[in-house]
Amino acid sequence: KQEVTQIPAALSVPEGENLVLNCSFTDSAIYNLQWFRQDPGKGLTSLLLIQSSQREQTSGRLNASLDKSSGRSTLYIAASQPGDSATYLCAASEGTYKYIFGTGTRLKVLA
Amino acid sequence: EPEVTQTPSHQVTQMGQEVILRCVPISNHLYFYWYRQILGQKVEFLVSFYNNEISEKSEIFDDQFSVERPDGSNFTLKIRSTKLEDSAMYFCASRGGQGNQPQHFGDGTRLSIL
Repeated sequence: KQEVTQIPAALSVPEGENLVLNCSFTDSAIYNLQWFRQDPGKGLTSLLLIQSSQREQTSGRLNASLDKSSGRSTLYIAASQPGDSATYLCAASEGTYKYIFGTGTRLKVLA
Repeated sequence: EPEVTQTPSHQVTQMGQEVILRCVPISNHLYFYWYRQILGQKVEFLVSFYNNEISEKSEIFDDQFSVERPDGSNFTLKIRSTKLEDSAMYFCASRGGQGNQPQHFGDGTRLSIL
């Protein structure tokens, strides 16, 4: 049974810092992995999708990597801004039909 | 950019009543999902729907739950007889037909059972 864990649970950094959020999963037979952002009381905004055959994906200041063999993914945020403050979730896909979500990392970027 | 829309944004219902949560997925998407998030907990998969039938469902999705795509645009989640523990945020998601497409989520419906 797939389990997804995210570390740290919460993170507070000064503006401008580069930071890394970690996601680990127990079953390496994933189809893809997706990173989301969730603002309080809101839905999930897709940030990056990495296919199982890929090593990384980049979008602007965000870079996500995937290491299936070790069951890990990282989300790198460069030059953090107060607007990046949110909860970041990773979700590992099992086939086409299901995502298993981690508990999330609550990020606060201080101005 | 196309969006997944959910209505209502907040639903308050008495325990034991039926509730229907509505979703309009992105128009050319083929895979549809419902997830829920109890306050302070993980987002949990409920059910996926493809080609007019359930593809997969979780242990949470028992006989009290059902899904329907009554027309070409709507996708609904029905809870037949609500319980206090059904109080949660319910998210609808949809995905395009190709395997490498991301899931797009709506803003959710907050369901409060009294």
